[in-house]
Amino acid sequence: DTAVSQTPKYLVTQMGNDKSIKCEQNLGHDTMYWYKQDSKKFLKIMFSYNNKELIINETVPNRFSPKSPDKAHLNLHINSLELGDSAVYFCASSPVDRGSGYTFGSGTRLTVV
Amino acid sequence: GIQVEQSPPDLILQEGANSTLRCNFSDSVNNLQWFHQNPWGQLINLFYIPSGTKQNGRLSATTVATERYSLLYISSSQTTDSGVYFCAAEGSTSYGKLTFGQGTILTVHP
Repeated sequence: DTAVSQTPKYLVTQMGNDKSIKCEQNLGHDTMYWYKQDSKKFLKIMFSYNNKELIINETVPNRFSPKSPDKAHLNLHINSLELGDSAVYFCASSPVDRGSGYTFGSGTRLTVV
Repeated sequence: GIQVEQSPPDLILQEGANSTLRCNFSDSVNNLQWFHQNPWGQLINLFYIPSGTKQNGRLSATTVATERYSLLYISSSQTTDSGVYFCAAEGSTSYGKLTFGQGTILTVHP
C-alpha cells in the first residue's frame, strides 16, 4: 500500500534515555515533516525537510535531531528524554505542488516515565 | 504566521442529524485540508480544498478563499463520525508549514 509509515507505534522509556522514531513514505513526495500533538490534541509542526534539506525548524530544543538519509525517509532522534516530551509524534509528507495535500502517518505515542 | 480558528469547539449530535463545522483563516492559502482524527488517533485526510466545493459521500466541504473561511458539512451523522475534526492551512507566505486549528470534538450518540 502507498502510505506514510512510522515505527514504533508506541514507545515507553525512562527519563534521560535516547530514542529514535522512523518514518518512510512511498508516495514519491519531496517534502516530509514531523508534527507533535500535545495532551490537548494541539498539532504543531516541528521540522520540515524538502528533498533531504531542512527547510523549517520551529524552535524545537536541540535534543531533537531529524535526519533524512533520502527523500523517502525522515527519522527523529531524541536525546536525554524529558517528561515533557511525552506526546504523539506524527510524520507527514506532501508533493511540491501540494496537489493532493499532506498525508500523515499513524503516529507514535511516546511516554516518558 | 497564519492563524486558524475552528468552531464550535465541541458538538454533540444524535445519529442521523446534520452538522456544519467552520474554519476561519487569517491569510491567503496555498493549501487547506480537513482531517478526522478517529478514536484510535489516526489522522484521516478528508478533503484537500484550498478553494471551491467537494463532496465525498455524506461529507462535503466548501472553501471561500476570498472571505477566508471553509465549511465542513456532515449529513446523516453516524456514531463512527465521532472524533476530532481539524482544519489545517498553509499560508501563501508560509510554504512547508501546515498550521492546524484547535479542532472540533464531535460526539454522535446512537
